[in-house]
Amino acid sequence: GAVVSQHPSRVICKSGTSVKIECRSLDFQATTMFWYRQFPKKSLMLMATSNEGSKATYEQGVEKDKFLINHASLTLSTLTVTSAHPEDSSFYICSAIVSWATNEKLFFGSGTQLSVL
Amino acid sequence: QQPVQSPQAVILREGEDAVINCSSSKALYSVHWYRQKHGEAPVFLMILLKGGEQKGHDKISASFNEKKQQSSLYLTASQLSYSGTYFCGTPGGGADGLTFGKGTHLIIQP
Repeated sequence: GAVVSQHPSRVICKSGTSVKIECRSLDFQATTMFWYRQFPKKSLMLMATSNEGSKATYEQGVEKDKFLINHASLTLSTLTVTSAHPEDSSFYICSAIVSWATNEKLFFGSGTQLSVL
Repeated sequence: QQPVQSPQAVILREGEDAVINCSSSKALYSVHWYRQKHGEAPVFLMILLKGGEQKGHDKISASFNEKKQQSSLYLTASQLSYSGTYFCGTPGGGADGLTFGKGTHLIIQP
């Protein structure tokens, strides 16, 4: 089945540094990928929709200059948290949509736990 | 608009049944159900598209009411492996992105 690989699984960084998270679709092409953020014991909050070859679509309240998304190929989307601060600490999960007939489902990456000191 | 899930948490003994509800004030195009275990990514369970639809596999099934404003997930004869947080997701966030409910924490005790 379809697999989405996310890397790194965990990152600890100092405040003010930038962190890049990669999301790859391993055996299928994903023209659209989604980035979610999840706080402990909370729901997944959609941050942005990553579109291959074009600009990402950000949800209301998400700073596009802080969370840079690049979808340069059909199998890779990256999320860069720029000038990270402790409040950016969270679990970030990417996902890709697979559609068949009138059905569709999301395959999620394994997530990245970001801790900003 | 975030769908509303209930209950927030359920504690069951192995073998008992559970029902998790997901509702919206507007008719939905579809409802997705996912299960997430602690520290792991969510895993797709099923999608419902049609009003009145019911589907399932093994002892996990779901329904979508005729008005397409409410879906329920049924866990029958629960097993320890069913423990986790269940999320319903509905389209409406971004381009096909799902908006998820707050989740229902399910704890199965031996």
